[in-house]
Amino acid sequence: DTEVTQTPKHLVMGMTNKKSLKCEQHMGHRAMYWYKQKAKKPPELMFVYSYEKLSINESVPSRFSPECPNSSLLNLHLHALQPEDSALYLCASSQGPTIQETQYFGPGTRLLVL
Amino acid sequence: ELKVEQNPLFLSMQEGKNYTIYCNYSTTSDRLYWYRQDPGKSLESLFVLLSNGAVKQEGRLMASLDTKARLSTLHITAAVHDLSATYFCAVDPNTGKLIFGQGTTLQVKP
Repeated sequence: DTEVTQTPKHLVMGMTNKKSLKCEQHMGHRAMYWYKQKAKKPPELMFVYSYEKLSINESVPSRFSPECPNSSLLNLHLHALQPEDSALYLCASSQGPTIQETQYFGPGTRLLVL
Repeated sequence: ELKVEQNPLFLSMQEGKNYTIYCNYSTTSDRLYWYRQDPGKSLESLFVLLSNGAVKQEGRLMASLDTKARLSTLHITAAVHDLSATYFCAVDPNTGKLIFGQGTTLQVKP
């Protein structure tokens, strides 16, 4: 099973809302990632978790807050977002521990900030 | 700073024709990945190339890696409409980060 699941598929939120994106994998992978993808652009790395610890934060604004409750779950908490944060948010996982294995991507959450 | 450059960025081709997408990168790396993305969808892993001279084939797609030239190619043989998508190459420079090229949008016309 090489599946990464993400919920919700679509999300519309106002600039004062708080929401969370969820990602789950049951492949026993030890590295999980959040990417942001704007239309017609490549994915941009936001965060990397390795063995449930944050290992890379690509200078992402604090209105994005990642959380890894256990080895199968990854959350991205959203607060006070801006319209320019509207994008496709992709979660991925890989076997690790060197974080150099193939990354498997989830279907994404399409976020619209009004 | 690692740069990954693909060309062409857009490719319109007729069914049945052959073509090659190129991926150049600017620093040493022994791992190169090719992904496919359909419009509005996620990324699907196509190939992982792990060493110099690696060649992998799946159906009408063949990928190769030349680490000395820092070049990977994705060759399309006898294109069909179902291959229409955006193709990304990505490089892992042993930093834990995957650096993507700009993507090549392939449009195959009947």
